[in-house]
Amino acid sequence: DTAVSQTPKYLVTQMGNDKSIKCEQNLGHDTMYWYKQDSKKFLKIMFSYNNKELIINETVPNRFSPKSPDKAHLNLHINSLELGDSAVYFCASSQDPTQETQYFGPGTRLLVL
Amino acid sequence: GDSVTQMEGPVTLSEEAFLTINCTYTATGYPSLFWYVQYPGEGLQLLLKATKADDKGSNKGFEATYRKETTSFHLEKGSVQVSDSAVYFCALQYSGAGSYQLTFGKGTKLSVIP
Repeated sequence: DTAVSQTPKYLVTQMGNDKSIKCEQNLGHDTMYWYKQDSKKFLKIMFSYNNKELIINETVPNRFSPKSPDKAHLNLHINSLELGDSAVYFCASSQDPTQETQYFGPGTRLLVL
Repeated sequence: GDSVTQMEGPVTLSEEAFLTINCTYTATGYPSLFWYVQYPGEGLQLLLKATKADDKGSNKGFEATYRKETTSFHLEKGSVQVSDSAVYFCALQYSGAGSYQLTFGKGTKLSVIP
C-alpha cells in the first residue's frame, strides 16, 4: 500500500493556466506538507497543515493555494502558472507537527511551457 | 536563518568503495539532524537521524555522527553497492520557538558502478 500518493506524476501545461496537484496519505497522520524542489535539486517547504489548519506558510506567491478537505488530503492549486513554477512538488506527512520523521510522496514533476 | 550545506555532486564510485558525503549546518539552537535518500523515481525516505550532540545515526550500513563542535553530520558507508545509487539529502529540524520544519541541503547524487 502506498503511504503518501500524489497525482498526477507528470504535468505539462502552458503559461497562464490553472492546475491542481492532489495528495493523499493513508498513515493516519495529522500533519501534511508541500515542498518545492527546483532544477538545482534544492528542496524548500511551502506549506504545512495540521488537522486541516494551516500552520506553516512560507513566502510563496498568492497564486499557490493549498486546500485540505480532510486530514488525509492536502491539495495544491496553482493559478496563472509561470515558467518559474516548473519544478518537482513533493507532498509529505508526519504524525503531528513535532514529529521529526516525515514521509514523502513520489513527487509531481510540473513543466510550464 | 538555519541552513544546510552539502558537498557538490555528482559522486561516482565503484562498488565496494568507501563513501563520505559531507554536510555542515548553521543553526541558532540545537537542531535534530537527518539524512534522507531519494531513489530514482521515488520520494524521499528517512535514512537515519541524530537528535543530540555525539549521537550516531545508522541504518543499512550508513552512519553519521552529530558533531556539535564542527557543526557537521557527514554520511559514511564502508562499502557501497549499486543499489545505493540515489540522491542524498542532509537536513535539520530546529524545534525552537515552536517551529518544527525541515531545512534541506541541496542534495548529493551518488552513482555506484559495478
